[in-house]
Amino acid sequence: QKEVEQNSGPLSVPEGAIASLNCTYSDRGSQSFFWYRQYSGKSPELIMSIYSNGDKEDGRFTAQLNKASQYVSLLIRDSQPSDSATYLCAARALGNEKLTFGTGTRLTIIP
Amino acid sequence: GAGVSQSPSNKVTEKGKDVELRCDPISGHTALYWYRQSLGQGLEFLIYFQGNSAPDKSGLPSDRFSAERTGGSVSTLTIQRTQQEDSAVYLCASSRGTVYEQYFGPGTRLTVT
Repeated sequence: QKEVEQNSGPLSVPEGAIASLNCTYSDRGSQSFFWYRQYSGKSPELIMSIYSNGDKEDGRFTAQLNKASQYVSLLIRDSQPSDSATYLCAARALGNEKLTFGTGTRLTIIP
Repeated sequence: GAGVSQSPSNKVTEKGKDVELRCDPISGHTALYWYRQSLGQGLEFLIYFQGNSAPDKSGLPSDRFSAERTGGSVSTLTIQRTQQEDSAVYLCASSRGTVYEQYFGPGTRLTVT
């Protein structure tokens, strides 16, 4: 079992709709969670970080964390074609400085 | 401000040669991380530095890989006697400290022929 799991997709969402990206993790010691966006041929770009249970909103992005269910999600409202990318979920355990990444979900926004 | 920079952006080398990859972190960032991303694989942690010290080298795949950081700033990842399986994008990230968000550089694409 991978430590951080994501559906590889591709996930296709119409322009203007809500895109929902999901991630589960196996290490209960994980304390911090991050979403990165990676365009093809580019490096990962930090979108959101979340540390506490509940929702965290930043513009069109909302990250959700449920530690009891070991589940993290990213919602993208009013999806735009420019949101088409691979989204990487990462987790960091307390006392462990490295990030453990999922393999990413490829998102395509259909105009 | 300036982000993380890496050089070279691309490197093609022959099997058995040594290569050096460089990372220049965001100014003031004390923590520096190396990851690699192979085609079809996720991001794989290699090593991290807090200042000039490397408390966690657990991700280095073999003793052909080494890294150093000097002056709490620039880091160099060295791969000796390169093999074809070393072909990947090598990514460097930095953060204000180990509990903060990590920001990635553009990466070095290494191809071993």
